[in-house]
This record gives sequence, structure tokens and C-alpha cells, in this order.
Amino acid sequence: GAVVSQHPSWVICKSGTSVKIECRSLDFQATTMFWYRQFPKQSLMLMATSNEGSKATYEQGVEKDKFLINHASLTLSTLTVTSAHPEDSSFYICSARVPGSPLNEQFFGPGTRLTVL
Amino acid sequence: GENVEQHPSTLSVQEGDSAVIKCTYSDSASNYFPWYKQELGKGPQLIIDIRSNVGEKKDQRIAVTLNKTAKHFSLHITETQPEDSAVYFCAAIYTGGFKTIFGAGTRLFVKA
Repeated sequence: GAVVSQHPSWVICKSGTSVKIECRSLDFQATTMFWYRQFPKQSLMLMATSNEGSKATYEQGVEKDKFLINHASLTLSTLTVTSAHPEDSSFYICSARVPGSPLNEQFFGPGTRLTVL
Repeated sequence: GENVEQHPSTLSVQEGDSAVIKCTYSDSASNYFPWYKQELGKGPQLIIDIRSNVGEKKDQRIAVTLNKTAKHFSLHITETQPEDSAVYFCAAIYTGGFKTIFGAGTRLFVKA
């Protein structure tokens, strides 16, 4: 199946700093990637849809100026958490949509655990 | 808005027994239903899926059933093993759109 990687797998940062998380589709080109946030023992919450070459579409309640998304190539999308605060600590997961799939299948990355001190 | 209800939230079974997880969706336009397994500290992995034009699909010890009229779909795991212990998420997708609606998840414990 399609492989999606994320980097880093975990990161610890100080409050007020910015953190960048990368999501890569390794063996296919993804015009659409998704960013999710998951709190402990909860389901995945869609934050935004990232489209290559255009602006991301953010879900209601997600601050676009705080969670900057860039999808500059067909294999890479990045999420930057700006001026991170302890409440931003969470598990961030990306997924990539398989192009041309009639089922809109998506494959998930392994996730990035962010801890803000 | 669209939502998917998933039950139970926690399920504990003895090794070798069967486990059943049930989901109900609200958007009648949904036509694709994947199931994901998420192990601790990892991203979700697709384990089986079913399209709306199919009533049942089986892959070794895992099967999924779909009742479109009732908007119900279920995951069945037979002969459970300790390595089946994980969180399982159901999802409903309308393939004409982009959004995947996830259930709340079921934490499955398989006791050896």
C-alpha cells in the first residue's frame, strides 16, 4: 500500500517557539493531504485540508494563522505550529489521498507527538 | 452535521473469542466505509473497507458488514489474538467529497 511518513516522530519545545512538522508521500504523488489532531483517548479531529499549489482549507475553529500549512510539492506538506503553547501539545497526524482513487482512499502517517513546555 | 456513532467505546475479550464493533452513520450519501487500527503512539492503519454496493467483505479473520437501509456497519474479528489489542476507528466517506467522518474509536483488549 501507499506509504506516508512524518518527521519528526516527536518533538519537545518551549512555549512561544514555532515547530514544523513534515508529511511526505513516499511512493505516490498526493495532490491532497489532510492534517489531524488527536488528544489522548479521543478520535481524530480534522484540522485542515492541504491542496498542492493552493491555500489550505481549515476546519471551523482552527486558527489558520497559528497552524500554517504549506503544500509546495506533490509529495510534501508541512504544518507549522506558531508560537506554541502547552495547550497545543497533542498528537498530530497527516494523511495523503491516493490520486485517482474512486474511493478517496487515504493513508496515514505515523504521527508526531508535540509537547510544549 | 454528519456524524458516525461507534460502540462500544471499550471491549475486552478473551483470546480466541470474537469481537464485534458497530457503527452508525448519518449521511445517507456516504458510500465508502473504511476501518482503521491504531496502535499506541502510531498512526491509523487501514485494515479493511467496504463499498456501499456490497453487503459483506471478509479478509482472513476480519470481516465487515454493511446495512445501508439502517445505516449500520460492523467490524467482526474472529479468533482474536493479543496483537489485535488496539484502538479501532470506523469511518464514513462520501466519495464525491473529501471529508472523512470518524467514529469515536473502540479500545479493544484481548486477554491472553
